[in-house]
Amino acid sequence: SQQGEEDPQALSIQEGENATMNCSYKTSINNLQWYRQNSGRGLVHLILIRSNEREKHSGRLRVTLDTSKKSSSLLITASRAADTASYFCATLYGNNRLAFGKGNQVVVIP
Amino acid sequence: EAQVTQNPRYLITVTGKKLTVTCSQNMNHEYMSWYRQDPGLGLRQIYYSMNVEVTDKGDVPEGYKVSRKEKRNFPLILESPSPNQTSLYFCASSSVGDTTRPAKNIQYFGAGTRLSVL
Repeated sequence: SQQGEEDPQALSIQEGENATMNCSYKTSINNLQWYRQNSGRGLVHLILIRSNEREKHSGRLRVTLDTSKKSSSLLITASRAADTASYFCATLYGNNRLAFGKGNQVVVIP
Repeated sequence: EAQVTQNPRYLITVTGKKLTVTCSQNMNHEYMSWYRQDPGLGLRQIYYSMNVEVTDKGDVPEGYKVSRKEKRNFPLILESPSPNQTSLYFCASSSVGDTTRPAKNIQYFGAGTRLSVL
């Protein structure tokens, strides 16, 4: 099955810094979504970008999508301790199905 | 409040003892899905359902069963659990969207069920 795949890195940053994580996928997509997961909890949807969009903003989040490179990035600006979580990209395919990447762990140090 | 409710949140059982994890959503969503999450493997889909009485296998269906008799409920059944089914399980739901209404493909997740099979 198709999967989004984040860059396999754990990110540790100071509060106030920006955090960037990347995701690549393998086949054509309808849209790409980013989710956040606080330790051991359910995933929470953050932002969705359609395949015909290149950039989208939501509060401190900025998502880009490059369909020619089959990649996306999520930028969190002015990070806060509460942003400490794992972040997953997910691509929509088939019957309403989402394929999730393995996740990017972000630790924001107060 | 819109939510997906899973029960139980934690479960310890022994090999071979049948168990059911319940999932219920109050958003009238057509689509429901079960995932398991394991370290280093991310989320993998077990089964999904497009609507009542319509279910299909995901990527890792072996050892699991599901049913969708009502729109709001989508229980996950382990007929004979084995230790390799020790995992964190999530139920999720969404409306069934399309390319003109992508926001309806957003999935809402339950809080998770941590299962240990001894």
